[in-house]
Amino acid sequence: AQRVTQPEKLLSVFKGAPVELKCNYSYSGSPELFWYVQYSRQRLQLLLRHISRESIKGFTADLNKGETSFHLKKPFAQEEDSAMYYCALIGFQKLVFGTGTRLLVSP
Amino acid sequence: NAGVTQTPKFQVLKTGQSMTLQCAQDMNHNSMYWYRQDPGMGLRLIYYSASEGTTDKGEVPNGYNVSRLNKREFSLRLESAAPSQTSVYFCASSQNTGAGEKLFFGSGTQLSVL
Repeated sequence: AQRVTQPEKLLSVFKGAPVELKCNYSYSGSPELFWYVQYSRQRLQLLLRHISRESIKGFTADLNKGETSFHLKKPFAQEEDSAMYYCALIGFQKLVFGTGTRLLVSP
Repeated sequence: NAGVTQTPKFQVLKTGQSMTLQCAQDMNHNSMYWYRQDPGMGLRLIYYSASEGTTDKGEVPNGYNVSRLNKREFSLRLESAAPSQTSVYFCASSQNTGAGEKLFFGSGTQLSVL
């Protein structure tokens, strides 16, 4: 079975501080992992996917197969980064989400 | 370009009532999904449709039915609503299921069952 775990429900940091949102997964095959973000009063949208190895809005995420992790990182948080972040894994034709982490960036 | 459109945006039901949530996409996507979002539970897949004419159960299908009416539309029906179905429901679509596919989400339906 595929499973995504986000251990933190809430992460609160000050503007300019580094951010790391944790994501661990369980999947028997070769995983495809994503981060989705939901800003206040907006629809859920894709932030980045591991196969693209991209940096979006200063965020990066590296797939670590040894640790089965896909943590989302940003060196300097901005207030506009405050949102709900979901890690997701695609396997067996289905996209499965973690429980989400709310990031709150204070001035 | 509307993307994924859900109706209604809000709904209040009494226990035992039935209703259908509508979803349509205009991106010519093959795959469509229904998720529910609950505090502390994240997004859980209810049903999905990999292609027109097919539907499959997700993680939490009990109490729901779906219909892939055509390529554009994928509806979710609650035959006899229960308070446990109070949630925010999201419809999504993607070109196909499988690796690398990006999901596009609707704006959600907030459902309260009293």
